[in-house]
Amino acid sequence: GAGVSQSPSNKVTEKGKDVELRCDPISGHTALYWYRQSLGQGLEFLIYFQGNSAPDKSGLPSDRFSAERTGGSVSTLTIQRTQQEDSAVYLCASSSTIVGNEQFFGPGTRLTVL
Amino acid sequence: GNSVTQMEGPVTLSEEAFLTINCTYTATGYPSLFWYVQYPGEGLQLLLKATKADDKGSNKGFEATYRKETTSFHLEKGSVQVSDSAVYFCALLNTNAGKSTFGDGTTLTVKP
Repeated sequence: GAGVSQSPSNKVTEKGKDVELRCDPISGHTALYWYRQSLGQGLEFLIYFQGNSAPDKSGLPSDRFSAERTGGSVSTLTIQRTQQEDSAVYLCASSSTIVGNEQFFGPGTRLTVL
Repeated sequence: GNSVTQMEGPVTLSEEAFLTINCTYTATGYPSLFWYVQYPGEGLQLLLKATKADDKGSNKGFEATYRKETTSFHLEKGSVQVSDSAVYFCALLNTNAGKSTFGDGTTLTVKP
């Protein structure tokens, strides 16, 4: 079956512009995660959705970052007024339950802020 | 809170050498433990996992044993290949918290 997909695969934007990154999780997966991976760095947790519960936004680095998940499926991560330090690969992952199940990762969106 | 500490890299080995990448964790309760791998130019994928103490996860010749007494989940392989060159991430999933916590990753390069 289809895996997690993300779009666009690459995004180049100018400082100060807003960007939207999209994630299509595996069908039926109730949990969805966003991470950020800067060059040579580990994974930085951003936000986590589980079913209809309120999302865990504890990893969002500033109020310029927001995410929503519509209908328990597709998710959009929005970064407003982008800064150069936002440049990174943004990864989305989904899993079928939160109890011990693996996360399936998408290929990521590489964001470059000029 | 939860945390994962991985052996710092990069690690460079010759083909057929023995590999150990250390991973220790801090968590409340009984987390599940994972190793993910990221091959060059590819996305992260699960390598192996263990869901309770003393469980051993294994895949592609890699093994890791969930040691609650030492809060560790070290990754081992008896004979590495060039194709094992990748970044390896240790992670835990605490059922109370819901979200996973990842280590910083360890880059492995295997030379022929």
